[in-house]
This record gives sequence, structure tokens and C-alpha cells, in this order.
Amino acid sequence: RKEVEQDPGPFNVPEGATVAFNCTYSNSASQSFFWYRQDCRKEPKLLMSVYSSGNEDGRFTAQLNRASQYISLLIRDSKLSDSATYLCVVQLQGGKLIFGQGTELSVKP
Amino acid sequence: EAGVAQSPRYKIIEKRQSVAFWCNPISGHATLYWYQQILGQGPKLLIQFQNNGVVDDSQLPKDRFSAERLKGVDSTLKIQPAKLEDSAVYLCASSWRMDRQETQYFGPGTRLLVL
Repeated sequence: RKEVEQDPGPFNVPEGATVAFNCTYSNSASQSFFWYRQDCRKEPKLLMSVYSSGNEDGRFTAQLNRASQYISLLIRDSKLSDSATYLCVVQLQGGKLIFGQGTELSVKP
Repeated sequence: EAGVAQSPRYKIIEKRQSVAFWCNPISGHATLYWYQQILGQGPKLLIQFQNNGVVDDSQLPKDRFSAERLKGVDSTLKIQPAKLEDSAVYLCASSWRMDRQETQYFGPGTRLLVL
């Protein structure tokens, strides 16, 4: 079983759509949680941290459920510029990041 | 602020040859990471340094991969000899410390193709 599992992609959505990504993790000792964004042939960049209370950054909302070891990302009013691969990431004590395989999003006009 | 620098950006070699990658982290960052990202997968940690000491190298194939961070700044990752399955992007990242919630900043990566 993979340590971090994400929805298989790709997700193809029209502009303005709402899209949700789901992720589960297996290591109950995971301490911190993130969503990273990776554009084609570029390096991963931090999109947002994820907290149990849920957090929002503009059109992006992230949620963490520690009991079920589940992480989600909701993107509202999708833009063409949101097209990228979204990586679910957990962090262990000491800083090590464990990445999911990523979910590709393609937003079409 | 200058980001994480890596070189070369691209490398093509034949199997059984050797190759080395270089990384210069963000100034002042004590923690440095090397990740391997195979096409269609997320990055996988190979080795983590805190200053010039190794914190985690549990997933580094030590029979062929080696890494060092002399003087606790720049780092090199070497593969000798390379195999076809080593074709991947090698990403270097750095952070201020290795605490949780400490953002890791990634370099542009070195894209390796082994023929």
C-alpha cells in the first residue's frame, strides 16, 4: 500500500467548475500536511498547508480529517491557469516529505 | 532572494556511465534534500542533510548512489554506474530547519535520461 494515495487523474473540467481532490495517508505519525502544485516540467511549489480546522485561500479550500487519515482540496471557479498536477504531501517528524503520485487537472475554455 | 540552484538542467548518458548533479541551496538554509521524481510519480526522498550530516538516507540505493554536502552548503549527488531505471528528474530542496511546517523550496531539477 502506498503511503499517500490520491485520486487517479486526469480531471478535465470547464472553466468555472468546482473540482475536488481526495487523498488518504497510511502513517498515523504524520505531523503536517500540504498540497503542492507542479506545472509541466517545473518543480513542485507549495500551494497551501492543511489544518484539521480546515483552511481557505481564495478559491482553494483544504480539509484534514486525522481520524480517517483523509485530506481534501476543493477548487472553486476553476481558471485556465489552475491547470497543473496537484500533489498531496504529508510530513513526518524530522522534515521528511512523502508525496502522493499527483492528480493532473486540465481546465478547458 | 535567490532560489535553489541546480546544474546541469539536462543530462543524457548511456547505462553504466557515471553522472553527478550539483545543488546550491538558499543561503542560510541548514537542511538540504535530494528527491527522485520518476515520470508520472510524486517525488521520493533519496537523502536528507542537516548542515553537513546525513539525517535520512534510508531510500538511497547505496550500491550506486552517493551524496555529500561538504562544508554544509553545496551538495553533489552521484550515480555510478547508472541504470535505465535511473531516468528521472532529480530535485534538490532546502529549508531553514528540519522542523515540521518548515517550507521546503525546490530547485528546477536535473532531468536525467539513461540510454
